[in-house]
Amino acid sequence: SQQGEEDPQALSIQEGENATMNCSYKTSINNLQWYRQNSGRGLVHLILIRSNEREKHSGRLRVTLDTSKKSSSLLITASRAADTASYFCATLPWEGAQKLVFGQGTRLTINP
Amino acid sequence: DAGVTQSPTHLIKTRGQQVTLRCSPKSGHDTVSWYQQALGQGPQFIFQYYEEEERQRGNFPDRFSGHQFPNYSSELNVNALLLGDSALYLCASSFRAATNIQYFGAGTRLSVL
Repeated sequence: SQQGEEDPQALSIQEGENATMNCSYKTSINNLQWYRQNSGRGLVHLILIRSNEREKHSGRLRVTLDTSKKSSSLLITASRAADTASYFCATLPWEGAQKLVFGQGTRLTINP
Repeated sequence: DAGVTQSPTHLIKTRGQQVTLRCSPKSGHDTVSWYQQALGQGPQFIFQYYEEEERQRGNFPDRFSGHQFPNYSSELNVNALLLGDSALYLCASSFRAATNIQYFGAGTRLSVL
């Protein structure tokens, strides 16, 4: 079963705009990760945030984590056509576990 | 440095048949995990292999089995295929002690007719 929900399920914006995706989960976690998937192929790891962190940046990506609300958000700034993909959050339930529990994903479309 | 490689890319089988999917982990990685991704869904964990043993298993029936070889490569076997087994099968590798980041292959698209 899926760990949680991602919101929105689909997002369409203009190139250059910012894109924000949200993820909620159900149980305590060790860390939360975001992955990108192009055209139903392999997943590419984007960023990992640990349960004791609140915010993390990587290039144009900004991730926040609120463990009290069991939620996370992924912000992509200055979007590009190449950012068009599906984005998934995945949680790692406990220290030492490597079973990732994925959400259902957000389909992001960047219009030129 | 080769990443995670999976074969074959696509596969078509009929109900009741058996299938074997293969995965070679990223260089330096010793742990392989398998995921099933149905169309429009997020990946679901099948099982994980480390030191040639199944270490963790998700909510999948015994028709799904696997193996890890001494060179850390892995196979996923599915017996008595059902239409509902049609999905993208993803292999991910990691180095157990160093990081929780898993590196994914491009997947095998299995269609069961």
